[in-house]
Amino acid sequence: SQQGEEDPQALSIQEGENATMNCSYKTSINNLQWYRQNSGRGLVHLILIRSNEREKHSGRLRVTLDTSKKSSSLLITASRAADTASYFCAPGGGSEKLVFGKGMKLTVNP
Amino acid sequence: DTAVSQTPKYLVTQMGNDKSIKCEQNLGHDTMYWYKQDSKKFLKIMFSYNNKELIINETVPNRFSPKSPDKAHLNLHINSLELGDSAVYFCASSQVSGGDTEAFFGQGTRLTVV
Repeated sequence: SQQGEEDPQALSIQEGENATMNCSYKTSINNLQWYRQNSGRGLVHLILIRSNEREKHSGRLRVTLDTSKKSSSLLITASRAADTASYFCAPGGGSEKLVFGKGMKLTVNP
Repeated sequence: DTAVSQTPKYLVTQMGNDKSIKCEQNLGHDTMYWYKQDSKKFLKIMFSYNNKELIINETVPNRFSPKSPDKAHLNLHINSLELGDSAVYFCASSQVSGGDTEAFFGQGTRLTVV
């Protein structure tokens, strides 16, 4: 598997605003996963989108995938202070590795 | 019930010591991983085991030796600890290997070498 690159590396917003983070990757994938890491905790799986899907929703999360641009975005709507965390993407190419990018730090100010 | 549990949560030890971190998963998964997260939060894969067999060893010094007595357990033993080994170590498991299924992570072991 390959490492995704999250962008921006850090984002600070006010509660109630939407947060968008992007992930780019280099080679073809079977799927792409997004994870959240709260400070001092392990990663928690948020959503998996397959290469034949363009968009997927889960609660306040919306993930899009554009395989032609080799990119994915994670949108968190109506953000809350509890959404403050680091977010990681993991492009899945069918190899045996689950590899993460450097992550993106989201701060939601109350 | 905790799905993936690691012990200990914190470990402070002196340089040169040998220490172990234990990991257990009760999800019935075939694949388990060890990751190292440094101070810059970069999460790097170290090892991956599938059904007790080592399938990935990512250029990790041989002072690090994983052991999988059964597919529910993957322990990490570190010999001759160095200052640079200070990090948070995460254990994870998934139903199958690779990026095709969701991975579940333990809460991490914060290792501090002094």
